[in-house]
Amino acid sequence: QKEVEQNSGPLSVPEGAIASLNCTYSDRGSQSFFWYRQYSGKSPELIMFIYSNGDKEDGRFTAQLNKASQYVSLLIRDSQPSDSATYLCAVKDDKIIFGKGTRLHILP
Amino acid sequence: SAVISQKPSRDICQRGTSLTIQCQVDSQVTMMFWYRQQPGQSLTLIATANQGSEATYESGFVIDKFPISRPNLTFSTLTVSNMSPEDSSIYLCSAQDSIRDTQYFGPGTRLTVL
Repeated sequence: QKEVEQNSGPLSVPEGAIASLNCTYSDRGSQSFFWYRQYSGKSPELIMFIYSNGDKEDGRFTAQLNKASQYVSLLIRDSQPSDSATYLCAVKDDKIIFGKGTRLHILP
Repeated sequence: SAVISQKPSRDICQRGTSLTIQCQVDSQVTMMFWYRQQPGQSLTLIATANQGSEATYESGFVIDKFPISRPNLTFSTLTVSNMSPEDSSIYLCSAQDSIRDTQYFGPGTRLTVL
């Protein structure tokens, strides 16, 4: 069974620091990788996607992909209290599979 | 990215009744999906809504309980039939942007069954 694993957290990070969120996946055939942010009571919002090994940067967010290690991560620089949310990792081959999410708490 | 709307945003229903949730996308999309999310839990895929044919259901979900329609490339409905309190959840519509292979979500429908 294809799986996406994330630490459930909560991950507490001081404001202004770098938050590092990690995800591993079981299906070596996976081609597309996504990070969603979900605020409490809201629906998931796509914030990053990455298809190739290496880093992809968008503002304060950097997605990192290592297909050999079946590992994808999200770095959030200069963390803000508004970044406090649950972050869902998702991996797609023929179908998208979501992890259970990591709760991130930015400490003011 | 596709903009997705859902109606109703929330509802409180009596046991044994049915509720139909509507999902509208602002552009034509090939793939639409229905998810359920229990409080504090991750997303569970109910089914893929196929245009012009029957929906494809995931293990544990059946058409009699969750009938789905997809009359065109921008619209789908999910019905939750013969509801019980265990059906209380957030139901999310999702659509896939085929150009970028990304998936977006509607705002969700919060269902409470008494």
